[in-house]
Amino acid sequence: STELTQAPSLSVSPGQTARIACSGDALSKHSGYWYQQKSGQAPTLVIFKDTERPSGIPGRFSGSGSGTTITLTITEVQAEDEADYYCQSTDNSDTYPVFGGGTKLTVL
Amino acid sequence: QVHLQESGPGLVKPSETLSLTCRVSGGSVTTSYWSWIRQAPGKGPECIGYMFYTGRTNYNPSFKSRVTMSIDTPKNQFSLKVNSVNAADTAVYYCASARRSGASYYFEYWGQGTLVTVSA
Repeated sequence: STELTQAPSLSVSPGQTARIACSGDALSKHSGYWYQQKSGQAPTLVIFKDTERPSGIPGRFSGSGSGTTITLTITEVQAEDEADYYCQSTDNSDTYPVFGGGTKLTVL
Repeated sequence: QVHLQESGPGLVKPSETLSLTCRVSGGSVTTSYWSWIRQAPGKGPECIGYMFYTGRTNYNPSFKSRVTMSIDTPKNQFSLKVNSVNAADTAVYYCASARRSGASYYFEYWGQGTLVTVSA
């Protein structure tokens, strides 16, 4: 089965930069996507095709990728950025989407 | 902007069938792919499958034998059925619009989600 691995948690202070990584073999041949999920809400797409940002997503959110790892970077972190962040890609048989286990971002 | 709203029973008995419907507004079901995603308590999302308005479906192999997705273009909605449910199917179920990028699919708009509990 396809696996996307994320660190379970990350803590940063307001104004700092948060970097959330996601690794998996599928990322070497498929694009990566990032979703933000605040408590009790549905996920929201914040990055698509590794680096692109949907309209309405603040510019402090950016994405990058290299080899089997993609990274979501949030600069000048704000209290409102506290959420779970999930990466997503495609399974190794190129048939269905798969998600990482999520990283809980805590803003101290 | 597309808006999605799930509806269906919040409680299903073990071995019975879970049935959910997703109503689409602000767009047509004939212009996108559509998906069902679930999230068990404390876990990450899991894609159950996706479909195109023509009826072409692709199910996660983990669900393949128990799942049916269908679309009702006149009503602008789509549906999910999961047979023979058990406690492990307890989760928040989301419907979402899916976009295709090469061999990848991703989820642009999500419904608010509906909690389905499997219990006698």
